[in-house]
Amino acid sequence: GEDVEQSLFLSVREGDSSVINCTYTDSSSTYLYWYKQEPGAGLQLLTYIFSNMDMKQDQRLTVLLNKKDKHLSLRIADTQTGDSAIYFCAADSNYQLIWGAGTKLIIKP
Amino acid sequence: DTGVSQNPRHKITKRGQNVTFRCDPISEHNRLYWYRQTLGQGPEFLTYFQNEAQLEKSRLLSDRFSAERPKGSFSTLEIQRTEQGDSAMYLCASTGREGSYGYTFGSGTRLTVV
Repeated sequence: GEDVEQSLFLSVREGDSSVINCTYTDSSSTYLYWYKQEPGAGLQLLTYIFSNMDMKQDQRLTVLLNKKDKHLSLRIADTQTGDSAIYFCAADSNYQLIWGAGTKLIIKP
Repeated sequence: DTGVSQNPRHKITKRGQNVTFRCDPISEHNRLYWYRQTLGQGPEFLTYFQNEAQLEKSRLLSDRFSAERPKGSFSTLEIQRTEQGDSAMYLCASTGREGSYGYTFGSGTRLTVV
């Protein structure tokens, strides 16, 4: 079946940029998403990108898509302590979203 | 627009009991999804509805699970004869058109089977 992979942890210093990477297998995915989940909370949609785009910027967030390599990244500029969370990459595949296992972002003071 | 609402937030039940969860999607959204999330994992697809029609159901969903969406509004997910392996967060999401504008998730119902 289709798959989405992401590294499990990322540690960055406060104020630095965070880059979370994701690879997916379904080349027909039309939309790719980044969601944020804080402890005990639901999934919050951060941003998404349509497959015919290669970049999307939204304030501190930049999404890059390399469709040829099926690689997606999320860059968070000026990372703050409030950005501590698990970040999920998801790709639409037929009628459902296929999810990565999530990357836990750890902020060092 | 109050977002996607799920009830209850938490449910503790004894093994073998039946449980039912409710999801109220965003009113103008015609697609409704149920996912299950266990600790350290991303959500797994269970089923989805377009209006009142249940269009897909995951092979993960045993026949102890059933979902309904009468009149294309709220949805219920019932688990019969619960097992400890059913313990998870059950998430509901809705969207207006497939993919566009993203899927809005509720806060989930955390089920613990003891």
